[in-house]
Amino acid sequence: AQSVTQLDSHVSVSEGTPVLLRCNYSSSYSPSLFWYVQHPNKGLQLLLKYTSAATLVKGINGFEAEFKKSETSFHLTKPSAHMSDAAEYFCVVNPMEYGNKLVFGAGTILRVKS
Amino acid sequence: DTEVTQTPKHLVMGMTNKKSLKCEQHMGHRAMYWYKQKAKKPPELMFVYSYEKLSINESVPSRFSPECPNSSLLNLHLHALQPEDSALYLCASSQADRTQQYFGPGTRLTVT
Repeated sequence: AQSVTQLDSHVSVSEGTPVLLRCNYSSSYSPSLFWYVQHPNKGLQLLLKYTSAATLVKGINGFEAEFKKSETSFHLTKPSAHMSDAAEYFCVVNPMEYGNKLVFGAGTILRVKS
Repeated sequence: DTEVTQTPKHLVMGMTNKKSLKCEQHMGHRAMYWYKQKAKKPPELMFVYSYEKLSINESVPSRFSPECPNSSLLNLHLHALQPEDSALYLCASSQADRTQQYFGPGTRLTVT
């Protein structure tokens, strides 16, 4: 079975410091991987996606993620946090086995302190 | 236009009411989705339409009835809901042969 584990349910950083949100996945096939962000009472916005091209993926708002097949990880990073980054982040896998059925991680709530 | 729109933004309904949620996209996508999201949880897939045909129903109770009148529109008809159905209902769309899903802003549903 496919699964996604977000290793931290909450992460707290100070404004201007680096952000690291961790994600591990399991998939029998070569999956597509995504990070989505959700601000309170809003829909999900795609930050970035990995679809078997470059392993270092750059996204919007200064975020990037590195696909490491040997570690089955897809961690999200940003060099310098901004107050507007405070939101919930979902790591998502599309196992590409059947249809377009996404597998979501449980989410990580990012808090940014001033 | 890379937008998925949903109406209404908020909906309060009683357990005996009938209401509908509407989703629209004009990106030419041929797959559309309904998700349910409870507070502090990830979205849960409810239904998938592919080329206007229902392709996935995740064992959703019959009080939720999806409809896809055309390739741009997706409705979710609601009848005899329970208070535990209160949630954020998200619509999404994607190219049939691609994996990226574009999400709408959601409808916040409260069942009283």
